[in-house]
Amino acid sequence: AQSVTQPDIHITVSEGASLELRCNYSYGATPYLFWYVQSPGQGLQLLLKYFSGDTLVQGIKGFEAEFKRSQSSFNLRKPSVHWSDAAEYFCAVGYMEYGNKLVFGAGTILRVKS
Amino acid sequence: EPEVTQTPSHQVTQMGQEVILRCVPISNHLYFYWYRQILGQKVEFLVSFYNNEISEKSEIFDDQFSVERPDGSNFTLKIRSTKLEDSAMYFCATHQGWGYGYTFGSGTRLTVV
Repeated sequence: AQSVTQPDIHITVSEGASLELRCNYSYGATPYLFWYVQSPGQGLQLLLKYFSGDTLVQGIKGFEAEFKRSQSSFNLRKPSVHWSDAAEYFCAVGYMEYGNKLVFGAGTILRVKS
Repeated sequence: EPEVTQTPSHQVTQMGQEVILRCVPISNHLYFYWYRQILGQKVEFLVSFYNNEISEKSEIFDDQFSVERPDGSNFTLKIRSTKLEDSAMYFCATHQGWGYGYTFGSGTRLTVV
C-alpha cells in the first residue's frame, strides 16, 4: 500500500535559519508529489508539486523541494525561514495507476523562534 | 486566484442526525474529492467523483456516506446518521486534470455531540 512518512512531528528553527522538512514515500512507481501547508483552523494550501522533469521544483513563499528517486524522498527546503512560516506541513503522494487520490503524511509542525 | 468554497465552516450536530456538507468547486474543474482530518491525525481520502459518478472510495466511505452534484455546481457530502467518530475537518478538493494539482477548500469542521 502507498504510504508517506514524515519522520519529524515537530521542528523548531530560528527566524532566518534554513529549513529542511523530510518526506519519504513507500512505492516505487512514478509518483506525483506534493507539499501542502496548513495554518491552524485553515485549509490546505499547495506549496509545490512534482510530476516529471527537473527534480528540483520551486514553489510559493520561497520554498523548494528536490525529488530523489534513489532515496524515495521529496524533502522541502527554505533557505531563510520567516516567522509567518510557522504552520503544519504535509507531504502527499499520488499515482496515476491508483486513481487520483492523494495519500498524506502525518505532517510536520514547524515552530519559528525569534 | 480561484477558490474552492465550503459551507458551513463549522457545524455541530447531534449523534444520529443527518448532515450535508457543501462545496462549490472551481468552475472548470472536473474532478472532485472529499477528504477528512480527525483532530491531530493525518488527512485521509474519502471519495473521488468524476463525470457524475463515484470513481473511487475508501473503506471509511461506508453506506452512511453519499455524494452528489445536484445542480451541476454544488458538490455535497451527506452523512445520514452521524456518529461521534465522524467529528473531523472535512475538506473538499478539486482539479481540472492530474497535471494541475489539487485545490483544497478551507474545510468544514464537523462536531458530533
